[in-house]
Amino acid sequence: IVLTQSPATLSLSPGERATLSCRASLSVSSYLAWYQQKPGQAPRLLIYDASNRAPGSPARFSGSGSGTDFTLTISSLEPEDFAVYYCQQRHNGRFTFGPGTKVDIK
Amino acid sequence: QVQLVQSGAEVKRPGASVKVSCKASGYTFTSYDMNWVRQAPGQGLEWMGWMNPNSGQTDLAQRFQGRVTMTRNTSITTAYLEVSNLRSGDTAVYYCARGNWDNWFDPWGQGTLVTVSS
Repeated sequence: IVLTQSPATLSLSPGERATLSCRASLSVSSYLAWYQQKPGQAPRLLIYDASNRAPGSPARFSGSGSGTDFTLTISSLEPEDFAVYYCQQRHNGRFTFGPGTKVDIK
Repeated sequence: QVQLVQSGAEVKRPGASVKVSCKASGYTFTSYDMNWVRQAPGQGLEWMGWMNPNSGQTDLAQRFQGRVTMTRNTSITTAYLEVSNLRSGDTAVYYCARGNWDNWFDPWGQGTLVTVSS
């Protein structure tokens, strides 16, 4: 299963709303997660099973979707949210990641 | 707290092998799968496979079958990733990541940079 993410780069200002998209080549039901990665750091789990916030994830992060189309929304960008975001799917015990969306400061 | 601590950076010649370790603490090592993910410089994340630390069973992504081995030592709660016949395209940061209660990756190790260069 191939995941595509759009846009590749999202340039926004602090306080703005960010909407990131992830599309799967086949249905993955709700088996989709989102990770945040900052430069020089390991990725961190944000959202799992499409819409559940991981422990410690701020409430401004939300996920939605099922089947093939998914969205990660950051309701109001904080300075620490500028990073790369990856979606990941799980199917038959195997995983793939999307290519990532970079959210940078406008 | 749950923590994964990986071994240090490595520099290898093409054709050599590398073994990366991932020391787990703060939870029952044999109760959660361990995954390995790599990230080439400036690139995205690539899942390599998972291992069940209890049974030793592994499942590798197709492109890594035959060249990658995942093992563990339960007495010291450490997982290992070995990549053989290294080539320049294997230059990457290698991460271990625990599969949580729902099989998603949380937490991750800090990463180990493996550089393959002649």
